[in-house]
Amino acid sequence: DQQVKQNSPSLSVQEGRISILNCDYTNSMFDYFLWYKKYPAEGPTFLISISSIKDKNEDGRFTVFLNKSAKHLSLHIVPSQPGDSAVYFCAASFTGANSKLTFGKGITLSVRP
Amino acid sequence: DTEVTQTPKHLVMGMTNKKSLKCEQHMGHRAMYWYKQKAKKPPELMFVYSYEKLSINESVPSRFSPECPNSSLLNLHLHALQPEDSALYLCASSQSRTGVYGYTFGSGTRLTVV
Repeated sequence: DQQVKQNSPSLSVQEGRISILNCDYTNSMFDYFLWYKKYPAEGPTFLISISSIKDKNEDGRFTVFLNKSAKHLSLHIVPSQPGDSAVYFCAASFTGANSKLTFGKGITLSVRP
Repeated sequence: DTEVTQTPKHLVMGMTNKKSLKCEQHMGHRAMYWYKQKAKKPPELMFVYSYEKLSINESVPSRFSPECPNSSLLNLHLHALQPEDSALYLCASSQSRTGVYGYTFGSGTRLTVV
C-alpha cells in the first residue's frame, strides 16, 4: 500500500517555464511534507518542506502548495533551469514517537535548454 | 558542519565477505537512519536509531547488522550478502525522530555484491 504517490514518472519542460510536480498521499496522519532532489549516484538533497498548518511555503524559485482536503501537494519551480534536471521525491512524515519518512516513487524532471 | 559523510563511496564484496559501511555527522542530530535504494525506486527505510538506541528495524534480514557507537557515528555491518542486496545505501540524520525538521542525507555507498 503506497501512502505517498507520485503518479507521473517524468516531466519535461522548457528552460524558463514553470515546472509543476505533483504528489498525493493517503495517510491522514501525515502532518509534515518534504521534497528532495536527487542526482544519479548521490544521496537525496533536501529542497523544501511544509507543515500541515500551512498551505504554502516559498523558498526562492521553489514553492510548495498543500491542499489537505484533497491530500495533495505540489512543487512549483519558477523559472526552471537545466540544472534542475533530476529526480524529485515527495516525502511525508508525522510528528510522533514512531515517525518515519515515507517516500513517493519520484519523478524525473528534464529541463530543456 | 552540515553534512552527513558516508564511507566508502563504492564497495564491491563477495557473498562470503564481511564489510562495514560507515556514516558520520557532527550536527548534533539525535536520530540516524539507514536507507536502501534500488535503481528507479524510492529510498526504503531499514533502521532508525534514536539517542543511540535502535528504535525501528523494518524487518531487515540479519545479514545486515546496524551499530551506533556514539551520537555521531552509525555503522552497518554486512555479512553473507546476496547479489540482490546490491543497491545504494543511504545514511541520514535528523534533529529528532519526529522528523519535523527534515532529514539530511549522505551521498550514499554504492554496494555491489558479486
